[in-house]
Amino acid sequence: ETGVTQTPRHLVMGMTNKKSLKCEQHLGHNAMYWYKQSAKKPLELMFVYNFKEQTENNSVPSRFSPECPNSSHLFLHLHTLQPEDSALYLCASSQDGHYNEQFFGPGTRLTVL
Amino acid sequence: GENVEQHPSTLSVQEGDSAVIKCTYSDSASNYFPWYKQELGKRPQLIIDIRSNVGEKKDQRIAVTLNKTAKHFSLHITETQPEDSAVYFCAATSDTGRRALTFGSGTRLQVQP
Repeated sequence: ETGVTQTPRHLVMGMTNKKSLKCEQHLGHNAMYWYKQSAKKPLELMFVYNFKEQTENNSVPSRFSPECPNSSHLFLHLHTLQPEDSALYLCASSQDGHYNEQFFGPGTRLTVL
Repeated sequence: GENVEQHPSTLSVQEGDSAVIKCTYSDSASNYFPWYKQELGKRPQLIIDIRSNVGEKKDQRIAVTLNKTAKHFSLHITETQPEDSAVYFCAATSDTGRRALTFGSGTRLQVQP
């Protein structure tokens, strides 16, 4: 698969579980993003990485922990989540910075019980 | 920070009619304004963008206009087709400094055949 891929596509977890979301981009981009999409806030930026460095943390609770080992991979580690964290988590990448086209992955539908 | 407001939240038009979606932004430093389309169950995709050195940009049936003085920009879709039915998001950012891409709340467009 080309472009931006995300795994898993669906995830159900309890509040005490620890899980990770994975994103991979095959576009040679230098910036990667995590977004949360819910009915309440349609597209909410969570984290930005530019050349593997975290450049933005949009006041995200510490129960969400991002990791960017290289420019092609981005992870979101989840622990002790709340039911209100249930949402679609979208990964995106761009050549660099916010002022270039962002290419989105298909998302991970997360349900926290 | 930047605040982007988008109207209307829902829009229903007859096939062949035009549709207009409007956004306002608060930060006069913003100079890049993309529009994304998200079909049901799919990922957001860029459909058109405009930078503040131009007032209008067209691509076939879609166009975007920008009024920097009033700080608003609009998406125009002419000769709408059922496949235009989707949620449309406007966004704004600046290419100077580290500025997050701020999205509007989305407009659900329904084109009635």
